Amino acid sequence: QKEVEQNSGPLSVPEGAIASLNCTYSDRGSQSFFWYRQYSGKSPELIMSIYSNGDKEDGRFTAQLNKASQYVSLLIRDSQPSDSATYLCAVKRTGGGNKLTFGTGTQLKVEL
Amino acid sequence: ETGVTQTPRHLVMGMTNKKSLKCEQHLGHNAMYWYKQSAKKPLELMFVYNFKEQTENNSVPSRFSPECPNSSHLFLHLHTLQPEDSALYLCASSQDSGARAFFGQGTRLTVV
Repeated sequence: QKEVEQNSGPLSVPEGAIASLNCTYSDRGSQSFFWYRQYSGKSPELIMSIYSNGDKEDGRFTAQLNKASQYVSLLIRDSQPSDSATYLCAVKRTGGGNKLTFGTGTQLKVEL
Repeated sequence: ETGVTQTPRHLVMGMTNKKSLKCEQHLGHNAMYWYKQSAKKPLELMFVYNFKEQTENNSVPSRFSPECPNSSHLFLHLHTLQPEDSALYLCASSQDSGARAFFGQGTRLTVV
């Protein structure tokens, strides 16, 4: 079982729609969760972090965490073509030092 | 500009060559990392340095040799690489116990 699993996509959504990206993780000791966005040919960029169960909103982005079910998701409202990128889920275990474990990423395409 | 600078951006090297990748961070962080990103695979953590001390070596072959002379600089020395080592090598930094990693633009390495 992969430590962090994401559907590789591509996930295609029309402009203005809500994009929903999902991530599951295997280690119940995980405590910190992150979403990175990576444009083609560029480096990953942190867009959201979440540490507690529930929702966390930041502009058009909402991260959702459910530790009991071991999943974390990212919702992007009013999707724009500029949101087209690969979204990486990353997980950090308490006591795991500085180690982040990444998923393979989900490619999102926002179509006009 | 993320505050983490990597050079060179692109590198082509033969299997018998010796080369070095350089990373410099201007964020005042004290943890630095090397990651490898291959196509269709998750980001793989290679090495972690905290306050110049190596705290993690993720079973990386000895043909990759890291060096961290101070908290702002990180090198990855390469020798006798294999074609399967071709990948994007990303440097990142963060505060010591946090995991909000900031990435450099990466070095696209091709081994021929």
